[in-house]
Amino acid sequence: QVQLVESGGGVVQPGRSLRLSCAASGFTFRSYGVHWVRQAPGKGLEWVAVIWHDGSKKYYIDSVKGRFAISRDNSKSTLYLQMNSLRAEDTAVYYCARDQPDDSSAYFLGFWGQGTLVTVSS
Amino acid sequence: DIQMAQSPSSLSASIGDRVTITCRASQDINNYLVWFQQKPGKAPKSLIYGASTLQSGVPSKFSGSGSGTDFALTISSLQPEDFATYYCQQYKSYPLTFGGGTKVEIK
Repeated sequence: QVQLVESGGGVVQPGRSLRLSCAASGFTFRSYGVHWVRQAPGKGLEWVAVIWHDGSKKYYIDSVKGRFAISRDNSKSTLYLQMNSLRAEDTAVYYCARDQPDDSSAYFLGFWGQGTLVTVSS
Repeated sequence: DIQMAQSPSSLSASIGDRVTITCRASQDINNYLVWFQQKPGKAPKSLIYGASTLQSGVPSKFSGSGSGTDFALTISSLQPEDFATYYCQQYKSYPLTFGGGTKVEIK
């Protein structure tokens, strides 16, 4: 079955960096686009970034452009999120999610990991 | 960016009630809409995609409708396991955007 397991969260000071990982199993990782989605404590869901199955395209939400970088290693079936210049407002649970095709071959967030908590605080 | 307006933000309902949650997109998204259920401390789970297609393994008490800008999620007979927060999300274009969520609570 599809499994996505995030790691790398923790407490970090403002302005510092952190790298999240998402280990995938149960499917052919190199065939799917994958995303990061976050949820601040007690708040709603916010999409952060996506990377195409082959790494050829990447998109980000405006608030993280220039600070966060999404990447993947298909040989290791692992997704990454490098987070630099962290701010208090980046505090959230970060989920990785995998694309699933719908009936028209568009893609939605079909499978999610359990998330990893990032706390930005001095 | 496409804005998603979800209502109500919360509702109280009884076991067995029929419940409807609505979602409105700021522009035409065809049927590129997915509904998620999230329970406290858990990851979201997809229920309905393509506005009206039931995700595998999801019970048929959940149904989705709509196209263009106006959508709805209906739970036909609310059960204890359905008390959760529900989100709509458009996947017509990036950035992907979510509605603000609807918390369904026990009356």
